[in-house]
Amino acid sequence: GENVEQHPSTLSVQEGDSAVIKCTYSDSASNYFPWYKQELGKGPQLIIDIRSNVGEKKDQRIAVTLNKTAKHFSLHITETQPEDSAVYFCAASKSNYGQNFVFGPGTRLSVLP
Amino acid sequence: EAQVTQNPRYLITVTGKKLTVTCSQNMNHEYMSWYRQDPGLGLRQIYYSMNVEVTDKGDVPEGYKVSRKEKRNFPLILESPSPNQTSLYFCASSRTSGNEQFFGPGTRLTVL
Repeated sequence: GENVEQHPSTLSVQEGDSAVIKCTYSDSASNYFPWYKQELGKGPQLIIDIRSNVGEKKDQRIAVTLNKTAKHFSLHITETQPEDSAVYFCAASKSNYGQNFVFGPGTRLSVLP
Repeated sequence: EAQVTQNPRYLITVTGKKLTVTCSQNMNHEYMSWYRQDPGLGLRQIYYSMNVEVTDKGDVPEGYKVSRKEKRNFPLILESPSPNQTSLYFCASSRTSGNEQFFGPGTRLTVL
């Protein structure tokens, strides 16, 4: 089955710097790659997603890149702010009938003021 | 307000005592799913449902049951809970399987 690895497990950056989190997946048939942010005591919330027919997607300070050949995708956060501090999860899925989601183990991001 | 609700939010029980965690969504979503979250392991999918009466195993289904008799509800059943099922559980729903999942607030379960 699918296996998703995520690095680093913890990341500390100064406010205003950029943060990059990387994920790799094993199943070349996976075609949907969302990123979720989880704040303390809450359920995960989608921040951005990308499908396999696209190489890059941007939404204000957040961007995701996908390299299908290498089977990895990355989350980029620019101009980080203290409210970006949270746990971030990547996931991979085959968005066809009957397929499940596999999440990475998570990255705890701390943005230091 | 569009939301996924779970009950109870916190539960402490003893080994072997059957329990049910309810999940309900008001967005008319077809896809629903249960996850458990453990430190260092992220979110692991227990079961998912593509639609009413259609369920399938995720990566960690042992010791759990689900049912999907109505579109809005997707209860998680632990017939004989054991201490290794102590975890934080999340229910989620999405329009279809390849779309944004909306997560509930979580249920923290402790099995003594």
